[in-house]
Parts: sequence; C-alpha cells; structure tokens
Amino acid sequence: EPEVTQTPSHQVTQMGQEVILRCVPISNHLYFYWYRQILGQKVEFLVSFYNNEISEKSEIFDDQFSVERPDGSNFTLKIRSTKLEDSAMYFCASSATPGVRAFVEKLFFGSGTQLSVL
Amino acid sequence: GENVEQHPSTLSVQEGDSAVIKCTYSDSASNYFPWYKQELGKGPQLIIDIRSNVGEKKDQRIAVTLNKTAKHFSLHITETQPEDSAVYFCAATPPGGTSYGKLTFGQGTILTVHP
Repeated sequence: EPEVTQTPSHQVTQMGQEVILRCVPISNHLYFYWYRQILGQKVEFLVSFYNNEISEKSEIFDDQFSVERPDGSNFTLKIRSTKLEDSAMYFCASSATPGVRAFVEKLFFGSGTQLSVL
Repeated sequence: GENVEQHPSTLSVQEGDSAVIKCTYSDSASNYFPWYKQELGKGPQLIIDIRSNVGEKKDQRIAVTLNKTAKHFSLHITETQPEDSAVYFCAATPPGGTSYGKLTFGQGTILTVHP
C-alpha cells in the first residue's frame, strides 16, 4: 500500500540552526501538507501546498518557515532559524489523486519527524 | 476559527466492550469530519470519515454519527480488541477552496483495551 515517507525520524539541532525536514508524498497525490504536534498539545495545521504554491498557511507558519517541492517526488519544510518552541513532531501528509477531487480531504500522514531544538 | 473539543482524554475498556469517543466543533460551516487512529511510532491513519450531508456511517466494527444541529460527532467501536488500543483523533474541516485539507484536530483519546 502506498505511504508517505518522512526522513529523518528524529532530528536534534541547536537553537538558531536551519533544519530541513523531508517528505516523499504518495506518488500521484496533488495536495501536500505539513502539520505539527507539540508534546501534550493538539495536532496543528501549518501549511497546504498545491500546484507548486502555498494554498493556505496558519499563523504559526511565519517567515522562518518555508516549503518547497524541489522535484517530482520530494516535499520539504525548512525552518530557517530554529527556536526552542519549534520542538515538536512534524507530520507530512498528502491527498487527492487526479480526477478524484472528492477525496481531496482524505489525508494520508507520514510517521513524522521528531524535532528537538536544544 | 474552528475549535474541536474531544472527550474523554483516556478510555479504558475490557475486550469485547464498546467504546465511544465524542467531539464537538464550533464552526457550523465545517462539512467533513474524519477520525484518525495513531499507533505508537506511526502517523495518524484515517479509519472512517463522514460528510455533513450524512447522519451516520458504519464500517464493520466502527461507526461515526453526526449531529449537525448540536455540532457534535462521535466514534463508536464495538467488540473492541486489544489491537484497537491507540490514540484516536477527531477532526473537522471547512468547505473547500484553499482550505482543502486544513484539518482542525481534537485533543486525542488514548484508548486502552484490556484482554
């Protein structure tokens, strides 16, 4: 069964450093997302991406965050200058095969990248 | 914006019993309500969903009910098994446009099924 793949599973970084979290969405999906979950809190929407541009972003997704689909398979989240409060589990998700727009809301999640900022 | 509240935060049942998890939402425009199951070390996995034009949906031992007037929806698991033990999340999303896939999640419920 196709799945969303995220690497690395764990990332430790120093405050102020840049990190790139990587995701390989399901191959023929059209919509891509990043969510995060701070320990003990709800899973929160960060950004959605469609047709090579951001569709919507949350208040959390400020100028230190960026997303990119550098090729036909990868989808990345970059945090330019990490802060302690960026420590969280980051989930990538994808949805919607061409011609099946009714299922665009059915998100498939990866296993997440646990980011620890020291 | 949308706010989703989920109860209970933990639920412990004996194998074979039923389990019910409840969620309320605030935005009457929300029209899609998925439920996700998250096992240890894995990402959330969609187990069932319901759209606002339907009151109930069932898939084997799992069912979801929606009350649009009261703005609440529930997950029902019958004949629970130990492998049902996981964290369950409800979510809500508004109609499409740029908000496709913009899920607002509940807090999660840790379900433990004792053999």
